[in-house]
Amino acid sequence: IAGITQAPTSQILAAGRRMTLRCTQDMRHNAMYWYRQDLGLGLRLIHYSNTAGTTGKGEVPDGYSVSRANTDDFPLTLASAVPSQTSVYFCASSKTQGTVNTQYFGPGTRLTVL
Amino acid sequence: KQEVTQIPAALSVPEGENLVLNCSFTDSAIYNLQWFRQDPGKGLTSLLLIQSSQREQTSGRLNASLDKSSGRSTLYIAASQPGDSATYLCAVQNGVNKLVFGAGTILRVKS
Repeated sequence: IAGITQAPTSQILAAGRRMTLRCTQDMRHNAMYWYRQDLGLGLRLIHYSNTAGTTGKGEVPDGYSVSRANTDDFPLTLASAVPSQTSVYFCASSKTQGTVNTQYFGPGTRLTVL
Repeated sequence: KQEVTQIPAALSVPEGENLVLNCSFTDSAIYNLQWFRQDPGKGLTSLLLIQSSQREQTSGRLNASLDKSSGRSTLYIAASQPGDSATYLCAVQNGVNKLVFGAGTILRVKS
């Protein structure tokens, strides 16, 4: 593994189903993030984690949950998917150094909720 | 609430042209500003990061400037090439580990 990996690459999901998007990084970064990207809206932060064992809410957290049991993994769960959660989801990580926060992004998961 | 706006939304230029992408933000209390590149169907790649105390950063044919007081940044691309075709995103860091993104500028460089 080099950098950040996300799985699955894409998924079509029926509304009401539960879904977990996986994210793993091998850079030993302390911070990890989940964004969604929608046409015309740019990337919006869903949840973040500054260090293993802690999580925080971003701009659009409703309908999503995360956990950070260890440094490397940061799964995103949709408990009961709805069509408005159709989007491209990006995981990112960074090593915070003072006020400098260069984030490294995974390749994304394209999710369609029908 | 911080808002980031990028103009234009899309730009098409002939190869070899110099071009400028614009980014504006509403809250000048930022830690830094970053420019990213995103290729179709791919993740984001960081191009340049300008800290709040800096005025500009350069990397190869790319030059990014920051005017924090007016809430503006520009990304200058010199001698554009077809390989520069991508979406360019601007993001500001307001708090620790929190980036706010613009919607991006889709650039097409025609050969």
